[in-house]
Amino acid sequence: KAGVTQTPRYLIKTRGQQVTLSCSPISGHRSVSWYQQTPGQGLQFLFEYFSETQRNKGNFPGRFSGRQFSNSRSEMNVSTLELGDSALYLCASSSGTGSMGPLHFGNGTRLTVT
Amino acid sequence: DQQVKQNSPSLSVQEGRISILNCDYTNSMFDYFLWYKKYPAEGPTFLISISSIKDKNEDGRFTVFLNKSAKHLSLHIVPSQPGDSAVYFCAASARAGNNRKLIWGLGTSLAVNP
Repeated sequence: KAGVTQTPRYLIKTRGQQVTLSCSPISGHRSVSWYQQTPGQGLQFLFEYFSETQRNKGNFPGRFSGRQFSNSRSEMNVSTLELGDSALYLCASSSGTGSMGPLHFGNGTRLTVT
Repeated sequence: DQQVKQNSPSLSVQEGRISILNCDYTNSMFDYFLWYKKYPAEGPTFLISISSIKDKNEDGRFTVFLNKSAKHLSLHIVPSQPGDSAVYFCAASARAGNNRKLIWGLGTSLAVNP
């Protein structure tokens, strides 16, 4: 089974721009979660989608948004980029939003905002 | 408020010895705990989990112990190998309606020296 695929792996943007990150979950997985990882802050939960609906949301400003398509692929968008948005953005999939099954992570997109 | 705490940011161990990584939590509603390992430039990988109805779970060189009264869990790696050098994240899960919330610690960086 192919793992979680995130594209692109690296991205450099300037302040004020917007960016879209993509995630393809493991085949058959319907839940996709997004996390931001920065040094010293660990993994910060952004949001979770299940069957094209946002099920959970973390404490991030409205500049961070996402969506999920009917094939479970998900995109995350950040508008009006700030320097502090520089981070590793991780996508994870699992079989179900209420499941205790482990999350399967992609290798992330490293976003640098200059 | 950090509900899941990994108080040691880093740990250094000799190859062949035991590595003990600790994790404390504050929310008594957590009923499922997971450990993930993360190498640089990769996403976290699921390692081992434990349900709150158990106090020990073992998988090869990895054992997780749960002390519910102390709200403490630990991951033991025996014997430690240089390839175990990575950041280890503890995560705790609680049911929230029909969903599950997953709260992460900040991670402990383990270095296993040859």
